[in-house]
Amino acid sequence: DGGITQSPKYLFRKEGQNVTLSCEQNLNHDAMYWYRQDPGQGLRLIYYSQIVNDFQKGDIAEGYSVSREKKESFPLTVTSAQKNPTAFYLCASSMGGAGRQETQYFGPGTRLLVL
Amino acid sequence: DQQVKQNSPSLSVQEGRISILNCDYTNSMFDYFLWYKKYPAEGPTFLISISSIKDKNEDGRFTVFLNKSAKHLSLHIVPSQPGDSAVYFCAAHQGAQKLVFGQGTRLTINP
Repeated sequence: DGGITQSPKYLFRKEGQNVTLSCEQNLNHDAMYWYRQDPGQGLRLIYYSQIVNDFQKGDIAEGYSVSREKKESFPLTVTSAQKNPTAFYLCASSMGGAGRQETQYFGPGTRLLVL
Repeated sequence: DQQVKQNSPSLSVQEGRISILNCDYTNSMFDYFLWYKKYPAEGPTFLISISSIKDKNEDGRFTVFLNKSAKHLSLHIVPSQPGDSAVYFCAAHQGAQKLVFGQGTRLTINP
């Protein structure tokens, strides 16, 4: 049963703390993405990775970091430099391949709250 | 700079009637458009897509229309059902697999 999993479903962060959100996919997709959704707004791209060991900044990368050591995994770290981290975080993946018109498939999301 | 805009934050439609959700874009380089449906506290679910070389794509109750000259696309749902109540996002493909999303339209289907 292929899909994208995100954990945890809810995450609480204390001031000055780094937290890491997990994203795993078993779809054999090359490309993975992290988005942030704020209330009443669309999804904004944080980081994306087209292949293992490579990733690029999206539109709102400041205060975030990622790694892509395995094809299946693309964890996102919300650092203390992110001043407004409270949001719903969504991970997505797609088959990948430059220039392809692709559909991205999303995980269930992680809601991050600041204590 | 909002490249993809959904100007209606909400839409209310009676069950059985047609729902029409609209989306405008500004970047003529977009070559692929998608509609996603999202329930609260869940990830978006892919609904339907259309390539810029087409003007219509149909899948069951869902049809997407693309008017490139007007930089406008719309999603038609007919007949509308209660389970269609959700937030709908349009998205445009910007190359390198990047998607640009609109703000979303909350659709409510009334019995």
